[in-house]
Amino acid sequence: AQSVTQLDSQVPVFEEAPVELRCNYSSSVSVYLFWYVQYPNQGLQLLLKYLSGSTLVKGINGFEAEFNKSQTSFHLRKPSVHISDTAEYFCATMNSGYSTLTFGKGTMLLVSP
Amino acid sequence: DGGITQSPKYLFRKEGQNVTLSCEQNLNHDAMYWYRQDPGQGLRLIYYSQIVNDFQKGDIAEGYSVSREKKESFPLTVTSAQKNPTAFYLCASSIKGRGANVLTFGAGSRLTVL
Repeated sequence: AQSVTQLDSQVPVFEEAPVELRCNYSSSVSVYLFWYVQYPNQGLQLLLKYLSGSTLVKGINGFEAEFNKSQTSFHLRKPSVHISDTAEYFCATMNSGYSTLTFGKGTMLLVSP
Repeated sequence: DGGITQSPKYLFRKEGQNVTLSCEQNLNHDAMYWYRQDPGQGLRLIYYSQIVNDFQKGDIAEGYSVSREKKESFPLTVTSAQKNPTAFYLCASSIKGRGANVLTFGAGSRLTVL
C-alpha cells in the first residue's frame, strides 16, 4: 500500500527565511502526491499536486514542490515565509484504486518574527 | 457559495453515549469521506462513500457507523464502542475516480468525551 512519511513534526523558522518541509513516499505503482495545509481549527485545503509531467509543481501562496523519483521524495519549499504561513502541512498520496488519500502525520511550520 | 458544512463545531459527550456528527455538501460531489485527526497522528480514514446507499470502511472504522441516504449528506455516528473518541473529526468530499485526489474539507467537529 502507498504511504508517505513526513520527516519533521515541527519546523521553526524566522520570517522571510526559506523553508523546506520534507516528505518521502513509498509506492511501487504510479504515484500521485499532494500537499495540503491546515490553519488552526480549520479543515484542510489543497496547496499543490503532482499527477504527472513536470517534476516541479507550483502551488498557491508561493509554495512549490519537486517530485524526485530516485529519492522517492516530494519536498515542499518556499523561498521566503511569512507569519501567515504558520500552519500544519500534510503530505498525501492516492491509493492505487484512485478512491482515497493517505496522509502523513503532518509538519507544523512555526514562523516567528 | 458551495462548500461543506459540519455541525456541531464543538460537542461534549459523556462516556457510554452515542453521538452523531453532521456533514452536508452542496458541491454535487459523489464521494464523501470521514477522517479522524489526533495530534501527531495526521488524518486517518474512518469511512468513505462513493455513491448513495453504499460506503466502505477505512483504516479505523471500529466504533463508528455511517449512512448515505442522500448525495448531499454523510452523517457519522460515534458509538459507545469507540474506546477513545475524543478527537477532531473532518468531513470531506470529491468527485469520483482519479479526480478524488482533490478533497474539499469542512471546518471540522471537535468531540470531547467527559
